[in-house]
Amino acid sequence: NAGVTQTPKFRVLKTGQSMTLLCAQDMNHEYMYWYRQDPGMGLRLIHYSVGEGTTAKGEVPDGYNVSRLKKQNFLLGLESAAPSQTSVYFCASSSEADIYYEQYFGPGTRLTVT
Amino acid sequence: GDSVTQMEGPVTLSEEAFLTINCTYTATGYPSLFWYVQYPGEGLQLLLKATKADDKGSNKGFEATYRKETTSFHLEKGSVQVSDSAVYFCALSDQWNNNDMRFGAGTRLTVKP
Repeated sequence: NAGVTQTPKFRVLKTGQSMTLLCAQDMNHEYMYWYRQDPGMGLRLIHYSVGEGTTAKGEVPDGYNVSRLKKQNFLLGLESAAPSQTSVYFCASSSEADIYYEQYFGPGTRLTVT
Repeated sequence: GDSVTQMEGPVTLSEEAFLTINCTYTATGYPSLFWYVQYPGEGLQLLLKATKADDKGSNKGFEATYRKETTSFHLEKGSVQVSDSAVYFCALSDQWNNNDMRFGAGTRLTVKP
């Protein structure tokens, strides 16, 4: 049982390049989330999904797209990376059966945009 | 909107010292409150939670009490260890919008032997 995994762990992009971050969970959770973590700002929700085939915007969605084609996977895409997207990205998942919606986090992806 | 404010760090303590990290919240509904911990190079892990007023969450010697009258959820530990060195995040999840968990900025704790 690996929990929540993220690929890659580190990435450096040039401005304007694109990339996709992959999140996978093996806990059969319905809900999945993408956050970014910036110094002094805690975690901010980018997008989330309440089930396969569904996505919704969070607090800071601009410049990102997501897809949830399979229940266990949640992809975060950057179509044209900008230096402002330099951050650490965390994926999380939670179960609809847990009424308090405890979230389980992946280890993070550190992205640098130059 | 809902928000969480926690004390700024960093906090540096000697081993066996008493720890308090303050957290206050603003919410329109009836939030559940959480403390998450992030060890170096890792993701966040749930440390403890409380789901209604006057509930006390506890784990690994850490405690926090949900105080509705002061809208607070301060984290305490009576005797910290070097292994407690980490970043601590206070968070809330509104029962009417459980997909929007709001986090504080985080407080970095360093415990010296």
